[in-house]
Amino acid sequence: DVKVTQSSRYLVKRTGEKVFLECVQDMDHENMFWYRQDPGLGLRLIYFSYDVKMKEKGDIPEGYSVSREKKERFSLILESASTNQTSMYLCASRAPGGTLQPQHFGDGTRLSIL
Amino acid sequence: GENVEQHPSTLSVQEGDSAVIKCTYSDSASNYFPWYKQELGKGPQLIIDIRSNVGEKKDQRIAVTLNKTAKHFSLHITETQPEDSAVYFCAASLMNSGYSTLTFGKGTMLLVSP
Repeated sequence: DVKVTQSSRYLVKRTGEKVFLECVQDMDHENMFWYRQDPGLGLRLIYFSYDVKMKEKGDIPEGYSVSREKKERFSLILESASTNQTSMYLCASRAPGGTLQPQHFGDGTRLSIL
Repeated sequence: GENVEQHPSTLSVQEGDSAVIKCTYSDSASNYFPWYKQELGKGPQLIIDIRSNVGEKKDQRIAVTLNKTAKHFSLHITETQPEDSAVYFCAASLMNSGYSTLTFGKGTMLLVSP
């Protein structure tokens, strides 16, 4: 079974801090994704990566950046955290082959910015 | 870009009843429509999908129907059980591109009462 592991289930940070959310997958998947999930807004794509050192903006990239130095690890970075970035963050990975391949999600990081 | 509308936002049924969740999409080029189920405290998981060359697909108690003309697709769950209680997301995409991403609906919280 594919396992996508997000480093923290809960995280509390202060406004202005630089925040790192880490995600690791164990299936050698090339594609990785970061979403945020908010009540009433569903899943919104922040950034995705098709391979090491590659990144593409999703629908809501403002205030975020990403890093993918190794194939198994995809990091989401909040450069200067703000209260409107309080949310549930979900990481996913996908095998090559486009959207016909299922996305495998981690269990999420609930981030609170105070 | 693609826009996916999903209704209802919440759905309460009695055990044994049927449940129907409906989605519409805006981009007529979309040709792949997966459904994901998110249980409490977990990440979403693919449960069924349908391609645009198929009108209906079944897998035990769940089925998905697609009306390309109306740009409408639905998830049907029969003989609901308490373990069906979860948030369900529909999504739409182009399946042939390795660089395609999913556009998700806002989700439906299904509550099945014993």
